Amino acid sequence: QVQMVQSGGEVKEPGASVKVSCKTSGYKFIDYGITWVRQAPGQGLEWMGWISTYNGHTFYQDKLQGRLTLTKDTSTTTGYMELRSLRSDDTATYYCARAYGEGHVDSWGQGTLVTVTS
Amino acid sequence: DVQMTQSPSSLSASVGDRVTITCRASQSIRSSLHWYQQKPGAAPKLLIFGASNLETGVPSRFIGSASGTEFTLVISSLQPEDFATYYCQQSDEIPYTFGQGTKVEIK
Repeated sequence: QVQMVQSGGEVKEPGASVKVSCKTSGYKFIDYGITWVRQAPGQGLEWMGWISTYNGHTFYQDKLQGRLTLTKDTSTTTGYMELRSLRSDDTATYYCARAYGEGHVDSWGQGTLVTVTS
Repeated sequence: DVQMTQSPSSLSASVGDRVTITCRASQSIRSSLHWYQQKPGAAPKLLIFGASNLETGVPSRFIGSASGTEFTLVISSLQPEDFATYYCQQSDEIPYTFGQGTKVEIK
């Protein structure tokens, strides 16, 4: 079955960087993209960006442009999300999800809580 | 960015009730509208994609429809396991924005 398994929670100081991994299995990696979504505590869902696992092409939300980098490793069927220059309002649960070409996502990781605190 | 306005933000209903959630897009998004259900402490779950297509394994009481830029999710007969927060999402234009969510609570 399709699985998206994310790395564990992180605690970071303001200004630091975090890199979250998303190990996929159960499907052909390059046939679906990976979308990243975050959710601040008690808040709604925020679309962050998308990466093509076929050619590495990316789209990012404008407000994260310059701080966010999505990458993938086809050999290990893993996606990565790196967010730099962390601020307190980056504290959130970060999700990866398998993305169809039409834009919807069907299988989600378990979420990774990133806490930014001094 | 395409703004997705979801209403209501919360509602109280009883088991067996018919529940309607609406999502309005700020511009045409064709049928690129999807619905997710999220329970506390869990990742979201896809219910409906392409405005009206039921995801495999999702009960048929969940019905999606569209009229222009207004999209509707109907739960025809609310079940105890349906108490959750529901989000719409558009995928017509980057960034793929979500609605703010509708929390369905027990009356």
